[in-house]
Amino acid sequence: GQQLNQSPQSMFIQEGEDVSMNCTSSSIFNTWLWYKQDPGEGPVLLIALYKAGELTSNGRLTAQFGITRKDSFLNISASIPSDVGIYFCAGQVLGSGNTGKLIFGQGTTLQVKP
Amino acid sequence: DTEVTQTPKHLVMGMTNKKSLKCEQHMGHRAMYWYKQKAKKPPELMFVYSYEKLSINESVPSRFSPECPNSSLLNLHLHALQPEDSALYLCASSQEGPGKNIQYFGAGTRLSVL
Repeated sequence: GQQLNQSPQSMFIQEGEDVSMNCTSSSIFNTWLWYKQDPGEGPVLLIALYKAGELTSNGRLTAQFGITRKDSFLNISASIPSDVGIYFCAGQVLGSGNTGKLIFGQGTTLQVKP
Repeated sequence: DTEVTQTPKHLVMGMTNKKSLKCEQHMGHRAMYWYKQKAKKPPELMFVYSYEKLSINESVPSRFSPECPNSSLLNLHLHALQPEDSALYLCASSQEGPGKNIQYFGAGTRLSVL
């Protein structure tokens, strides 16, 4: 089946540092999504990517949809304590029998030291 | 407004109880989803409803019974659960059809089965 490899599994960084995480797959996706989940809450959408090569920013966050459509990365610049949480990538294949089905990465746990 | 509301936020039940989880959205989305999430793991898809009809059942045990009374509501009926069913249950919704059907998640119901 389709799988996403997300790395790193966890990161412990100093406040103000930049962060980079990525997801790769052997399968092609039509859409890449990045979510953040705080403890006890549901995942919150950060960035959605729809086209190969697309580079999108949302404040201090930047994400790119890989040219091969098999990978994506998320960068966070100048991290702050509230960036703490688990970040999930998710790929989506559109087509019959795959109504909105998301394939999730295993998550990157980010901890920020003030 | 991208709000998906789930109730209750927490639920404790015995293995012989019958309970229901509820999910509501008013974004006009026609696809709704139930996910199960264990600690520090990605969400696992359970069911997908498209235009109020069950379109995907990911081989979920029959002790979980979904229901979609109308386009805004989604229920998950629980009966004779096992302790290993304890998890965070997430509801999500999205627009339906090819294109940008991004899934928006609720805050979840934390379920404990004793």
